[in-house]
Amino acid sequence: GAVVSQHPSWVICKSGTSVKIECRSLDFQATTMFWYRQFPKQSLMLMATSNEGSKATYEQGVEKDKFLINHASLTLSTLTVTSAHPEDSSFYICSASGSFSYEQYFGPGTRLTVT
Amino acid sequence: QKEVEQNSGPLSVPEGAIASLNCTYSDRGSQSFFWYRQYSGKSPELIMFIYSNGDKEDGRFTAQLNKASQYVSLLIRDSQPSDSATYLCALTPGKEAGTALIFGKGTTLSVSS
Repeated sequence: GAVVSQHPSWVICKSGTSVKIECRSLDFQATTMFWYRQFPKQSLMLMATSNEGSKATYEQGVEKDKFLINHASLTLSTLTVTSAHPEDSSFYICSASGSFSYEQYFGPGTRLTVT
Repeated sequence: QKEVEQNSGPLSVPEGAIASLNCTYSDRGSQSFFWYRQYSGKSPELIMFIYSNGDKEDGRFTAQLNKASQYVSLLIRDSQPSDSATYLCALTPGKEAGTALIFGKGTTLSVSS
């Protein structure tokens, strides 16, 4: 099966700082990557969709200037949480799909805690 | 509004029994259907996908799709305590690859030993 990695798996940062999360497809070319957020005991919430070489498309209510997404290559997408606040503490998960398939494969997630 | 509906559960079954998870959807144009398993504190894991009407079997798992009735189900035979998780039904809203999946809220399955 397709493998997607994320780094770091968990991070603690101080309020006001920025954090970058990397998502990599290890054994396939991911033309599209998706970023989700999940709060405890709640459903996945899609934040944005990114295609390689294009600007990300953000879901309604997601601040694009706060959550910067870059999909610079077919194997790497990054999410930067800028000026993080405690309410940004959550489980951030990426997923990836190839150009000729509908399946999406999830990374293991990054747990962010903002103090 | 394209929706995917799942009973939140919990669905409780004894070890060795068949667990039946159901999902209905509102958009008749939906093309592809997926079942993901999510353990508490972990990310979702793809366990089955089905594109055509009928049944698709993979080990202890069987996915069933009925586009006319707009439902998709997942059967887990010989359920094990390790199957205890939240099962997410998802679909693609159209024919284009790379489209964001629409997820249901998930059904929590509890398998007791």
